[in-house]
Amino acid sequence: GDSVTQMEGPVTLSEEAFLTINCTYTATGYPSLFWYVQYPGEGLQLLLKATKADDKGSNKGFEATYRKETTSFHLEKGSVQVSDSAVYFCALSSNSGYSTLTFGKGTMLLVSP
Amino acid sequence: DAGVTQSPTHLIKTRGQQVTLRCSPISGHKSVSWYQQVLGQGPQFIFQYYEKEERGRGNFPDRFSARQFPNYSSELNVNALLLGDSALYLCASSIGTSRANQPQHFGDGTRLSIL
Repeated sequence: GDSVTQMEGPVTLSEEAFLTINCTYTATGYPSLFWYVQYPGEGLQLLLKATKADDKGSNKGFEATYRKETTSFHLEKGSVQVSDSAVYFCALSSNSGYSTLTFGKGTMLLVSP
Repeated sequence: DAGVTQSPTHLIKTRGQQVTLRCSPISGHKSVSWYQQVLGQGPQFIFQYYEKEERGRGNFPDRFSARQFPNYSSELNVNALLLGDSALYLCASSIGTSRANQPQHFGDGTRLSIL
């Protein structure tokens, strides 16, 4: 079945540091890929998405590229801020299903001033 | 525009009781999905409804049931509550189920605690 594997956290960075959160997936067919962010006490917010190989999703300085050859969708940001502290979830939606999401376990990011 | 709204925000129940959680999707969205998020884990898919019909079901016992109303709002029911049902229950809406690349938009969830 479909699955998503994320790097374990927490990831602890200083403000303005470079961020990478690794995500790899297993799926049949050609899934759509997503990154969601969850702030404390809140639900999930869609951060970015990519729907086909080599697509790059981007939003608020975050980027991720759909790499079919390595089945990866790593999240990057060139300069993190304290306000980026949250839990980040990588997810896929299989084109063979009903667009339901399969999530990774999440990676907590802590950014200090 | 209003986002996905869920009620109640928090709920405390005891083992064996029954609970009903409610969700109103974004206006114009016809599909509603329910997810369970246990502390420290990613959300797990429970149900998806589209046009009042069940379109998908995750690996959850029959104690879990749901329905969707003509106005596209939805309820999740859980019977015979167990301690392991303690979790954040998230509702998500999307335009429809026909394409996997349609993003789902989440509410803030209902925090269910079982004593």
